[in-house]
Amino acid sequence: AQRVTQPEKLLSVFKGAPVELKCNYSYSGSPELFWYVQYSRQRLQLLLRHISRESIKGFTADLNKGETSFHLKKPFAQEEDSAMYYCALTGTGRRALTFGSGTRLQVQP
Amino acid sequence: NAGVMQNPRHLVRRRGQEARLRCSPMKGHSHVYWYRQLPEEGLKFMVYLQKENIIDESGMPKERFSAEFPKEGPSILRIQQVVRGDSAAYFCASSSRTGMNTEAFFGQGTRLTVV
Repeated sequence: AQRVTQPEKLLSVFKGAPVELKCNYSYSGSPELFWYVQYSRQRLQLLLRHISRESIKGFTADLNKGETSFHLKKPFAQEEDSAMYYCALTGTGRRALTFGSGTRLQVQP
Repeated sequence: NAGVMQNPRHLVRRRGQEARLRCSPMKGHSHVYWYRQLPEEGLKFMVYLQKENIIDESGMPKERFSAEFPKEGPSILRIQQVVRGDSAAYFCASSSRTGMNTEAFFGQGTRLTVV
């Protein structure tokens, strides 16, 4: 069975502080990991995926297979980063996403 | 391209009524996914459809819930004889293909309230 765990419901930081949103997963095969973001009153949208190894809006995430983690990081948080962040996983032969319960990031001025 | 369109955005039903949720995928997309989000929880997969076919319905409740994606027209998620526990946000996503590095695009969701 595949599972995604986001241990923090709420993460509150000040503007300019570093941010790390935690994500751990369990999956027996080779997973494909994603981070989705939902800004206030907007639809869920893809932020980044581990395959692309890219940085989007200053965010990065590294897949650590040993620790089965895919934490999302940003060195300096901005107020406009305030949103709900969901970690998600899919695997070989299954295209549907398994989501974590989400973490609300609040960046205070 | 207007993106994935879901309607209605809000739907109120009395217990025992039927709820029909519609999803029009992005132009050119033939793969549709339905997810349900209960309060304080993440999105849970319900069903994956391609045109006229249900590919994976492992997340669908066995009774009262059905989904279709006809050759013409939107995908429909149908809930018969709704109960209070069906109150949730229902999201639809679409993609142009499957495989690695395929992005699914989400609709705004339909918030169902059963009174």
